[in-house]
This record gives sequence, C-alpha cells and structure tokens, in this order.
Amino acid sequence: DTEVTQTPKHLVMGMTNKKSLKCEQHMGHRAMYWYKQKAKKPPELMFVYSYEKLSINESVPSRFSPECPNSSLLNLHLHALQPEDSALYLCASSQRGAGNTIYFGEGSWLTVV
Amino acid sequence: GESVGLHLPTLSVQEGDNSIINCAYSNSASDYFIWYKQESGKGPQFIIDIRSNMDKRQGQRVTVLLNKTVKHLSLQIAATQPGDSAVYFCAERGDAGNMLTFGGGTRLMVKP
Repeated sequence: DTEVTQTPKHLVMGMTNKKSLKCEQHMGHRAMYWYKQKAKKPPELMFVYSYEKLSINESVPSRFSPECPNSSLLNLHLHALQPEDSALYLCASSQRGAGNTIYFGEGSWLTVV
Repeated sequence: GESVGLHLPTLSVQEGDNSIINCAYSNSASDYFIWYKQESGKGPQFIIDIRSNMDKRQGQRVTVLLNKTVKHLSLQIAATQPGDSAVYFCAERGDAGNMLTFGGGTRLMVKP
C-alpha cells in the first residue's frame, strides 16, 4: 500500500466550479509532485515542490494552482477547468535530490463536465 | 527533446513463463532508472530501480538490466503470475533535479 494518500478518489466538477485535490505523506519526504495522466498514457509532470517551495512548473495553465502548506501536504486548486482536463491526477513524493525513488499515491480521478 | 520509449505496447505471456519488458532511453545524462507497475485504476507502484553504475539488479522475481552502451533497459519477471498483469512503465531521472521522465508503457497480459 502506498504511503501517499490522495483525496478525493473521484471528483466530478463543472467548468465554473472551484475544487481542490489534496495529498498527504508522512515519510519525511521533502520533494512532492503533481502528475497528470490521461488514459493509456504515461504520467506527465506538472509541478515539483522542494522544501515547500515550487521548483518546477511544467508550463501548466493557471487554472491549476498548486499549494504546499507544509512538508507533508500538497494541494492542487482547480478553477475554470475544461473537459480536456479530465484525467487521473497523481501526487508523489521523494527524498530530496536526484536518484531517490518517487512514490505515488493512488490518484484522484477528475471528470470535468 | 529527450525521451524514454518502449519497444512493445502489449506483451502477452503464459502463466508461469518468464516475461521481458524492454525500454529504450535517449538521455545519456540520466543516472537513475525505475520500473513502475500500474494496475487498472491505481497509481504507479515502484517495482525496482537501478543506478547507472550498475548493470543488473535483482529483486523478488524481478531483475532489471541496464545496457548503457545502447541505452537500453529491461525488466525481467520470473514465473509470471496473473497478478503481474498491468501496465509497466520505465522512467529515468537525470542528475539535474527531481524530474522523472516516463516511457510510453507496456501492457503485460498473463494468460492462465
């Protein structure tokens, strides 16, 4: 079982809604990530936080807004999404630095209607 | 840009046989590689990793081989079981930061 916990597991939202995805880990990891995964495709990196600071933003549209309140929590705020944003959103964490295994949560299935 | 790719999108094997899943990578600066297993409806699950200073690493029923000369990575699963049915992703991680780049994935189907 993964030690990265994501909520909710499923979310259906309208294009005018504001919602948030939440992620929590208690492994003491100092790097946390958001990935987006479409059906039959590999995960695509969206954001990386290192020591609670945003270190990588892979040109993600501003309708996705990440937040790292502390070293254990990572949020992804969603606003004015499009149907094509429907996907599996994966949170992950790792020890800081290259060469450290990244552990994934089970993901949040998002459907935008 | 740099990419990590897989040779076969689908692999079908008989239960009890050995499975070999291949992956080609193009970033010669990558020094760390991971294999993930993703079952339907779940997140990617870490299987095994290998650093570039190694050629081979073994786990429980799984072996990863790394050939840096031809930039090739493979995952071998011994005595494949129905529970091994999943999509398998290879991923590489460069030494410049925390970015993980995934290959396209191979679906492993185990026939009883």
